[in-house]
Amino acid sequence: DTEVTQTPKHLVMGMTNKKSLKCEQHMGHRAMYWYKQKAKKPPELMFVYSYEKLSINESVPSRFSPECPNSSLLNLHLHALQPEDSALYLCASSQESRQNSYNEQFFGPGTRLTVL
Amino acid sequence: DAKTTQPNSMESNEEEPVHLPCNHSTISGTDYIHWYRQLPSQGPEYVIHGLTSNVNNRMASLAIAEDRKSSTLILHRATLRDAAVYYCILRTNTGNQFYFGTGTSLTVIP
Repeated sequence: DTEVTQTPKHLVMGMTNKKSLKCEQHMGHRAMYWYKQKAKKPPELMFVYSYEKLSINESVPSRFSPECPNSSLLNLHLHALQPEDSALYLCASSQESRQNSYNEQFFGPGTRLTVL
Repeated sequence: DAKTTQPNSMESNEEEPVHLPCNHSTISGTDYIHWYRQLPSQGPEYVIHGLTSNVNNRMASLAIAEDRKSSTLILHRATLRDAAVYYCILRTNTGNQFYFGTGTSLTVIP
């Protein structure tokens, strides 16, 4: 199974709502990532988890709160978002072995988020 | 983080070879060169990677300049399914994170 799944596929939320994005992989990967992608732009790294611990936060606003409850799951909790946060949110996973040049990242299809 | 620069867009005729260039003049000796592509409405997918030597796999070839300041992704026979945005990425050996460049949008003309 080389698939990363993300739910929901689409999400519309108001600025006062609280919602969560979910990501799951069963490849035994111990590194997981969240990216944000605006239309016609490249993905921007948001967070990196290594062995279920947050290792990188790319100065993301606190209205985005990541969580890694176990080695297969990655969540992104959303609260008090702004319309400019509307984007495609991509999850990815990879082996966690920094000596390995390969470490292919496997991406999910993304959640398309619209903030009204 | 080391940066990459790529042309915004390129066109190719179907079944012709395509050469997608990437400049990475600030590459360090331990940076790996990765290429990913993103088809419409999908997440990015791995294409190929290399360090110093040219590389071939079933999808493509990667030609790396001797000074490593540039590289070229070669699709030997473009098909309509190869229409995508191709990203050239430098990955350090101190972490697994990727910082995507602007990418090249490839259009394949039937």
